[in-house]
Amino acid sequence: DVKVTQSSRYLVKRTGEKVFLECVQDMDHENMFWYRQDPGLGLRLIYFSYDVKMKEKGDIPEGYSVSREKKERFSLILESASTNQTSMYLCASSSTQGFGNTIYFGEGSWLTVV
Amino acid sequence: AQRVTQPEKLLSVFKGAPVELKCNYSYSGSPELFWYVQYSRQRLQLLLRHISRESIKGFTADLNKGETSFHLKKPFAQEEDSAMYYCALPLQGAQKLVFGQGTRLTINP
Repeated sequence: DVKVTQSSRYLVKRTGEKVFLECVQDMDHENMFWYRQDPGLGLRLIYFSYDVKMKEKGDIPEGYSVSREKKERFSLILESASTNQTSMYLCASSSTQGFGNTIYFGEGSWLTVV
Repeated sequence: AQRVTQPEKLLSVFKGAPVELKCNYSYSGSPELFWYVQYSRQRLQLLLRHISRESIKGFTADLNKGETSFHLKKPFAQEEDSAMYYCALPLQGAQKLVFGQGTRLTINP
């Protein structure tokens, strides 16, 4: 069974703090993703990585950066947290083999910025 | 632009009634579409994909290219179907998914 693990389920941070969200997958997947989930807006892609040290901006990259130093780990960084970044953050991974592959999600990280 | 639209944010039906969750897409070519589901306190997971043409938990979805739709249907709703449902479309050589806004389905007893 594919496992995508997000290290922090619930975080409360102050405005201006630097925030790290960590994600690890155990299926040797090439692709990893960070999505943001908001009511009425669905899932929006923040960043996508298709290989180690490779990254690509998604639909809403502003205020975020990512790091992928190892294949199994993909980190999302909020350089200076703001209240409008309060949200549920979902990490996911998928294989590049084949077409339209299943994306496997983590349980999510609830971030509240106060 | 390639996008997915789910027109209903909320849908409420009674147990045993038919369910249809709407999904419309904008895509040039032959799309491969997915439905993902998130039950309460569980992670988002794949429910079914167009290419499989299978029924999962009693749900089916048919691709209608004329209407550019991929509606999710179940003839008799069950309480355990209550969840958040997302329609999704692969982009960029099918390595990324773009999701619709989601529909929260509530099955009333």
